[in-house]
Amino acid sequence: QVQLQESGPGLVKPSETLSLTCTVSGGSISSYYWSWIRQPAGKGLEWIGRIYTSGSTNYNPSLKSRVTMSVDTSKNQFSLKLSSVTAADTAVYYCARGIAVAVNQYYFDYWGQGTLVTVSS
Amino acid sequence: QSVLTQPPSASGTPGQRVTISCSGSSSNIGSNYVYWYQQLPGTAPKLLIYRNNQRPSGVPDRFSGSKSGTSASLAISGLRSEDEADYYCAAWDDSLSGPFGGGTKLTVL
Repeated sequence: QVQLQESGPGLVKPSETLSLTCTVSGGSISSYYWSWIRQPAGKGLEWIGRIYTSGSTNYNPSLKSRVTMSVDTSKNQFSLKLSSVTAADTAVYYCARGIAVAVNQYYFDYWGQGTLVTVSS
Repeated sequence: QSVLTQPPSASGTPGQRVTISCSGSSSNIGSNYVYWYQQLPGTAPKLLIYRNNQRPSGVPDRFSGSKSGTSASLAISGLRSEDEADYYCAAWDDSLSGPFGGGTKLTVL
């Protein structure tokens, strides 16, 4: 059974960089799209971006200037960095595995449990 | 702001059939697959429907998806109290701005 686990600081100061890692267990990280998705309290889901195991990335245009994703296949991990955070970036952050149906078309079959990141001084 | 439009809320009584709509455009639903996710309170979303109308293993056949033109629907028959959750439709848009609709909160009365 594939499992995803997010890890990283739960509190980040404004203007600093949010860093999260997702560890994949029970299966290979290869040949899938890996995404980060966030959800502010009481609000809907927002896709942040994705990385393929080759290292190619696509980011949500609304966040693109602040997002960097990377993958470490040797550790079965992928990571998110979001720079210059503000209170608006406070949310539960999920990592998810994407199953491709076409180029840049995929659905999320496995999700992490989510981790709350609060941006506050 | 989502490019897919869902009603913010829906409700039904146990045993009833309810449908949740998802409206898009030719650049998303009209040309790509639709997916549905269920998010129970306090938990991560779960895949409910993929490729418009396919159910993953373990999803009851009470849940069904359909698509017509630039709109899609999720139907839940034989409504149960445990179906009370948020439901999100998803379809990739040509802009790659993210697939999710705004979500619909389903209340079982």
